[in-house]
Amino acid sequence: DAGVTQTPRHEVAEKGQTIILKCEPVSGHNDLFWYRQTKIQGLELLSYFRSKSLMEDGGAFKDRFKAEMLNSSFSTLKIQPTEPKDSAVYLCASSWTSGNTLYFGEGSRLIVV
Amino acid sequence: LAKTTQPPSMEAYEGQEVNVSCSHTNIATSEYIYWYRQVPHQGPQFIIQGYKDYVVNEVASLFISADRKLSTLSLPWVSLRDAAVYYCIVTDISGGSNAKLTFGKGTKLSVKS
Repeated sequence: DAGVTQTPRHEVAEKGQTIILKCEPVSGHNDLFWYRQTKIQGLELLSYFRSKSLMEDGGAFKDRFKAEMLNSSFSTLKIQPTEPKDSAVYLCASSWTSGNTLYFGEGSRLIVV
Repeated sequence: LAKTTQPPSMEAYEGQEVNVSCSHTNIATSEYIYWYRQVPHQGPQFIIQGYKDYVVNEVASLFISADRKLSTLSLPWVSLRDAAVYYCIVTDISGGSNAKLTFGKGTKLSVKS
């Protein structure tokens, strides 16, 4: 079975660019999460979808971050415009609705210069 | 949600048994305890979960104190591959909800040969 797939694995962007990160959850999973991870802040929740409906959009990240889930097998995280402080690893995770075990992808490492 | 407190770091030698503690003094009756670990360049991975007493699987064992305010993750015979950050999380799954997991700073386990 395929796990959570994230692309690209690495991205370098210039300040002000638009970046789109992609995630394919585990087939059949109903919940999808986007996290951001930095050494200082650790793991921070950006967005949470249940059955494609946005349940939480991470408060402080509303401004330039937009996550979408157009179908049950694909989600995107758009950062527009990027800033150097957005440099981080962006992790996508999915799970069954009734359980809490999250399956994470390997992450997309973003560097904004 | 209950907050957790873990030691920031631990060291062990290969072959040793390692016990990682986690304090969750305000844990609610509806909350469960989860442990994840994260090795470099990968997303967190589920290890074990429990509600009370003692849980064991092929990877680790989990002891939960009688008052549920303390849990201990036990890793038998650690190897270099067990070097990772270990996260203790408590979360409410009442009503079948799949509440988001909130990751703290975790415990960084270093393993020496």
